[in-house]
Amino acid sequence: DQQVKQNSPSLSVQEGRISILNCDYTNSMFDYFLWYKKYPAEGPTFLISISSIKDKNEDGRFTVFLNKSAKHLSLHIVPSQPGDSAVYFCAASDPGTYKYIFGTGTRLKVLA
Amino acid sequence: DAGITQSPRHKVTETGTPVTLRCHQTENHRYMYWYRQDPGHGLRLIHYSYGVKDTDKGEVSDGYSVSRSKTEDFLLTLESATSSQTSVYFCATQGGADRPTEAFFGQGTRLTVV
Repeated sequence: DQQVKQNSPSLSVQEGRISILNCDYTNSMFDYFLWYKKYPAEGPTFLISISSIKDKNEDGRFTVFLNKSAKHLSLHIVPSQPGDSAVYFCAASDPGTYKYIFGTGTRLKVLA
Repeated sequence: DAGITQSPRHKVTETGTPVTLRCHQTENHRYMYWYRQDPGHGLRLIHYSYGVKDTDKGEVSDGYSVSRSKTEDFLLTLESATSSQTSVYFCATQGGADRPTEAFFGQGTRLTVV
């Protein structure tokens, strides 16, 4: 039973446009959410996070939105750049245990 | 970035042999994790540790054991390797005390079981 789901395995976006990556979760007790970027042959790198008490967090070109009633979060990248091409994982922190549960990832391709 | 070193970076082993992967961190982070990455499955938690000698199972712990005798080292052991354990393994650490913070990942270990 997958608690964190990324239903789009891949996404292609034109350079300069907005990329929107989506993530759904099933456990309403999750209290902290994160997005990671992963390039081939490298470890995932932290991108941005959001606490469950907020609905938006922004860092430069990256914004994460959290809709708790829908159990949904999204990552917006504006403007998208070719260097953003990578696999993006969303993750959720299991409260009390500090276990981090990851989704299956979305491969983003930004076309020049 | 947290100083996380995984060793070895690549390993080929035969079915039925024991294998130990090592994760070493220099950040004094309390929490450490072992994940495996497989196509179509993303990152799945194998085991994690919340302190020295304190460990717990993750989503896919069968066939794996862990040990943490020092804050800086977290070992993952495949007792008897099988082909289904061919994967890329990532170690991660997280230093949050009273609330979660971002986790930092190592570079990964590519394990092939033949």
